Amino acid sequence: ETGVTQTPRHLVMGMTNKKSLKCEQHLGHNAMYWYKQSAKKPLELMFVYSLEERVENNSVPSRFSPECPNSSHLFLHLHTLQPEDSALYLCASSQDFQRLNYGYTFGSGTRLTVV
Amino acid sequence: SQQGEEDPQALSIQEGENATMNCSYKTSINNLQWYRQNSGRGLVHLILIRSNEREKHSGRLRVTLDTSKKSSSLLITASRAADTASYFCATDAYTDKLIFGTGTRLQVFP
Repeated sequence: ETGVTQTPRHLVMGMTNKKSLKCEQHLGHNAMYWYKQSAKKPLELMFVYSLEERVENNSVPSRFSPECPNSSHLFLHLHTLQPEDSALYLCASSQDFQRLNYGYTFGSGTRLTVV
Repeated sequence: SQQGEEDPQALSIQEGENATMNCSYKTSINNLQWYRQNSGRGLVHLILIRSNEREKHSGRLRVTLDTSKKSSSLLITASRAADTASYFCATDAYTDKLIFGTGTRLQVFP
């Protein structure tokens, strides 16, 4: 247990479904991140939230919609996904967004399969 | 564009041997970090080395940084089967976020 909890661990969804991924941290961190990890590709940064405000959106398709209701929780809402969106989705947190003197703490990820 | 690239992509060794992985990056950095990922799990932070440091140790891990060559290496001494994982370097490239490479897959055989 790293201090960042992601649910569910596995998710299979059809292309017309709507689902949400949840991430929770009680480390007192101020920044939270969504990363996508596909086979044989570098981790792709999707979204960054600092103090509950979105500070980064790396040209992610609108079928991915993040939400950060408070500093401890981060969601990724999924809608009308494509098979190529199948991947491991990782949530991470860090003490502060603009000071990278500490490492990130990652959750165990959600393995998403779009059928 | 990719900031960090690890080399080799895959490495297989026997227990007790040392494992060395390399990372090259493209732009100046504030610090460089190494992470480990067990199969299908999240990444675990191993060690951070600042741009003004040349070497850092943590247990069986030794990290070096050569900013003139824009490269870093991670040495795992006396490897164990439990060290089997993928290892990633990550750099900040003077930005506010970490950029990861594609990783080195390490297999340690008992």
